[in-house]
Amino acid sequence: EPEVTQTPSHQVTQMGQEVILRCVPISNHLYFYWYRQILGQKVEFLVSFYNNEISEKSEIFDDQFSVERPDGSNFTLKIRSTKLEDSAMYFCASSDVGLVWPEQYFGPGTRLTVT
Amino acid sequence: KNEVEQSPQNLTAQEGEFITINCSYSVGISALHWLQQHPGGGIVSLFMLSSGKKKHGRLIATINIQEKHSSLHITASHPRDSAVYICAVLGSQGNLIFGKGTKLSVKP
Repeated sequence: EPEVTQTPSHQVTQMGQEVILRCVPISNHLYFYWYRQILGQKVEFLVSFYNNEISEKSEIFDDQFSVERPDGSNFTLKIRSTKLEDSAMYFCASSDVGLVWPEQYFGPGTRLTVT
Repeated sequence: KNEVEQSPQNLTAQEGEFITINCSYSVGISALHWLQQHPGGGIVSLFMLSSGKKKHGRLIATINIQEKHSSLHITASHPRDSAVYICAVLGSQGNLIFGKGTKLSVKP
């Protein structure tokens, strides 16, 4: 069964460093999403991406964040200069297009620890 | 006030019990996900529904669009059902708006 994959599973970085989190969505899906979950808190929406551009973003997704689809398979989230408060689990999701209510499929997450 | 409210926050059950988790929401358009999150952190989609009822194995989900309420039921609960169950409502821009989750622990 097709699935969303994410790498790495765990990333440790120092404050101020740039990190890139990678996702491979399900191959025929066209909508892509990033969510994050700070430890002990609820999952929060960061950004959605369709047709090679951001379609919606939350107030969390400031200038320190960017997303890219560098090739036909990968979808990346970049944090330019990490802060301690960026420590969280980051989930990628993808969904099909053409359905009225497309179901989102989640990757296993990348745990980011900023020290 | 939270836009997506789940109850209860924590639930402990004995193996075999029938379990109900509730979700009420004040935002979003008329579709809702039930998700399962295990201790390792990964999220699995259980259901997406926009009306009526769906059943998958021992799991049943119902939604009442007019009342903006959904329930997730687990029949004949088992310790392997222990997880956090999350309700997430589909926002108008296609993003999901999440509840805080219900932590379920099923004792043998």
